Amino acid sequence: GAGVSQSPRYKVAKRGQDVALRCDPISGHVSLFWYQQALGQGPEFLTYFQNEAQLDKSGLPSDRFFAERPEGSVSTLKIQRTQQEDSAVYLCASSSTGTEEAFFGQGTRLTVV
Amino acid sequence: AQRVTQPEKLLSVFKGAPVELKCNYSYSGSPELFWYVQYSRQRLQLLLRHISRESIKGFTADLNKGETSFHLKKPFAQEEDSAMYYCALNAGNNRKLIWGLGTSLGVNP
Repeated sequence: GAGVSQSPRYKVAKRGQDVALRCDPISGHVSLFWYQQALGQGPEFLTYFQNEAQLDKSGLPSDRFFAERPEGSVSTLKIQRTQQEDSAVYLCASSSTGTEEAFFGQGTRLTVV
Repeated sequence: AQRVTQPEKLLSVFKGAPVELKCNYSYSGSPELFWYVQYSRQRLQLLLRHISRESIKGFTADLNKGETSFHLKKPFAQEEDSAMYYCALNAGNNRKLIWGLGTSLGVNP
């Protein structure tokens, strides 16, 4: 596809459940970012990949959050033992070199009940 | 501390009126600032970046280092400008963005 694709679009998880959110960046884009956007807030940085290397994970809120990009393309954000405060829209963005415009996916809306 | 402040959560104007969406930043280095827009049911997309100094859809934004501001302006608002607008600051070499809370602009006919 032409743009960044995220799946699923919506996810409802019971508290304590593990979830995995997928991001397909634009083909050939080196840089990939994950952001978390709570209701009524701006996006907050979670983590950054350059190819398969996770260069910055300073925004991950706890060790329950884990992200990977093993082959330098598709990325997965995993949240273990979900809690209500994890409810948010999770945004993925990619850019060609990290110095160019970041293109965003539609986001995955996670609701933890 | 790195911070972006958008003081207005909501802004409502009439079609044809001038509009200014405020953005102030706090950053010790040389800032790189962006405006992103999100139209209803669409994804976030880049509107402006200060280094390009271009006008997109009639919007302009000037970086004022003295006032640490990057306000977004348009002389004549259109109904199709109704959207959520986010100001963002590039914090460091990896292009990590620090975001404001966003301003919801409504343009009334």
